Parts: sequence; C-alpha cells; structure tokens
Amino acid sequence: DAGVIQSPRHEVTEMGQEVTLRCKPISGHNSLFWYRQTMMRGLELLIYFNNNVPIDDSGMPEDRFSAKMPNASFSTLKIQPSEPRDSAVYFCASTLGKGAASEQYFGPGTRLTVT
Amino acid sequence: AQSVTQLGSHVSVSEGALVLLRCNYSSSVPPYLFWYVQYPNQGLQLLLKYTSAATLVKGINGFEAEFKKSETSFHLTKPSAHMSDAAEYFCAVIFFGNEKLTFGTGTRLTIIP
Repeated sequence: DAGVIQSPRHEVTEMGQEVTLRCKPISGHNSLFWYRQTMMRGLELLIYFNNNVPIDDSGMPEDRFSAKMPNASFSTLKIQPSEPRDSAVYFCASTLGKGAASEQYFGPGTRLTVT
Repeated sequence: AQSVTQLGSHVSVSEGALVLLRCNYSSSVPPYLFWYVQYPNQGLQLLLKYTSAATLVKGINGFEAEFKKSETSFHLTKPSAHMSDAAEYFCAVIFFGNEKLTFGTGTRLTIIP
C-alpha cells in the first residue's frame, strides 16, 4: 500500500502564478480531504469529497481556490492567482467511509512558498 | 461554542519519564475524539481515537488516552518517554452533527536525553 501520494512535495512560485497541487488517495477510499497548515492558523479543513462529490467547501478561503476530483483516484487543489499569504503546507487525506469519523490517512504534504 | 483546546504548546520531558499531553473540548454532547502525531516533514498519523466505546483507549507506540466526560477531557499519556516520541501531537474532535475534524493547535513534545 503506497499510502496517500501528493505532488509536488515542494513548490516555489511567484505571486500571481497558478499553482496546482495533486493528490492520489489510497485505493478503495471514498472520502478525500484537503487541509492547510500554517503557524498562525494551525490545521484547517479546506474541502472534502465523498464519492468524488464535494460535500463541504466552506473552508475554502476565497474564489482563488478551487478543488476537483474527476475520479476516485485523483484530486487537485488549484490556486489562481497565488498570493504570499497562501504559503503553507497543504495536506491531502483519505478515508474509507463518509465523513471524518473513520481514520484519516494523511499524505506527506506539499510545502508551498509564494514569493 | 464548540471548541478544542490543547494546554501547552510545548512540553519537555526526560527520557523515561511520564508523558502527559492535555486536551479539553467544549460541547454539550460528547464528541468523537482523536489524537494524531506529526513527525517533522511528514503528514499526520492517527495514534488513537474515542468513539463512545471504552473510555480508556490504547493506541500505537504505547500511548493511551482516557475520556473523562465530567472534565470534558481526553488527555494523552505514555508511561515512559522515548527519544522517538519527539514530535507534534494534535488533539482532534468531531462534534455531534458535524462531519468535520476540528484540530487543536498542537503540542510540540521534546524529549530530554
């Protein structure tokens, strides 16, 4: 079992550029979560999907952020245009079952730096 | 308002000493409770969880936590600290009627040789 796979592991980009973060959940898991971790705000849930359908996106900061899950094995989180305050570690997690009561398996994260 | 609080952003203990990391929640209905560990440059890993079964929950790596409804607490303990326990620990909660996992601010555990 390869676990949750995220790419890239590190991303450095300039303000105004588009950034796309990718996630491959564990095979067979049907819920996927995107989190953001910063020193100031800690861990925040951005959005989660169940069976590829967005269930709750109330944590998405603003319209610059969008997430898709075109199939059960792939999800993207896009920031366009990026800003320095978007600098953070972004985690993807997956679980078997609906909602967060089941154990969530986290990926290693993508460290995003926007200059 | 519903919330989760971790007391102490940094805790240092000597190797072999008791580890105690504190977590309190605010909710009229007992929630689901979790402890996660994050090692440097890694994602979070589940240590243990309480989902209304036994109040004393045993997890991986020798950790355990006890749910105390009267104190609205779910403190994490380990009888004897090991150097490999150095990490950041997060208490997390799912409040009744909510599917989201709400994380505490985390406690960084340092082990003194």
